[in-house]
Amino acid sequence: DSGVTQTPKHLITATGQRVTLRCSPRSGDLSVYWYQQSLDQGLQFLIQYYNGEERAKGNILERFSAQQFPDLHSELNLSSLELGDSALYFCASSAGGVLYEQYFGPGTRLTVT
Amino acid sequence: AQTVTQSQPEMSVQEAETVTLSCTYDTSESDYYLFWYKQPPSRQMILVIRQEAYKQQNATENRFSVNFQKAAKSFSLKISDSQLGDAAMYFCAYEDDKIIFGKGTRLHILP
Repeated sequence: DSGVTQTPKHLITATGQRVTLRCSPRSGDLSVYWYQQSLDQGLQFLIQYYNGEERAKGNILERFSAQQFPDLHSELNLSSLELGDSALYFCASSAGGVLYEQYFGPGTRLTVT
Repeated sequence: AQTVTQSQPEMSVQEAETVTLSCTYDTSESDYYLFWYKQPPSRQMILVIRQEAYKQQNATENRFSVNFQKAAKSFSLKISDSQLGDAAMYFCAYEDDKIIFGKGTRLHILP
């Protein structure tokens, strides 16, 4: 158990809908990262937050957005969902930047039908 | 742009033997970090080993070691005394300000 929690574990929704994925980092970690793992794109970095502020951005679509709240939990919002958004979404947390190990959560499996 | 290439989609090794997974990357940066992550069937991503580019000494974690060749931009993972629990997908990753993963190598352990 990494100490990072993600809810829900599984999510099934229809195209065009909007969903919110939630992540609680390990106690004391200030950074949260979001990743998407799909069969065709592999594992891709989406976005990083550090203590509430956006720190780095990867291949995140405009239909996706994220935020980190004052209690350091984070939410990833996915809107206007398409079939191709079906993937495993991971959250990871660390104490800071590249110097610190990232601890991954168990992931949220999103299926868009 | 930085890229990470894992040229072996799948590999197999006999239990107790040694196996080496290959990874090459491309970057113009001099300071960066390299990682190997393991993803077992549970899908949990687990850090296996990390290497700071400024360190010449190869990182080692128990049965796992790397061969880091900075000039060649190569970062291979050696697993010694392979165990059944090592069966997983292994991802090589590069990070400077953002992390980039390779496509992965699926490792099978043959009993």
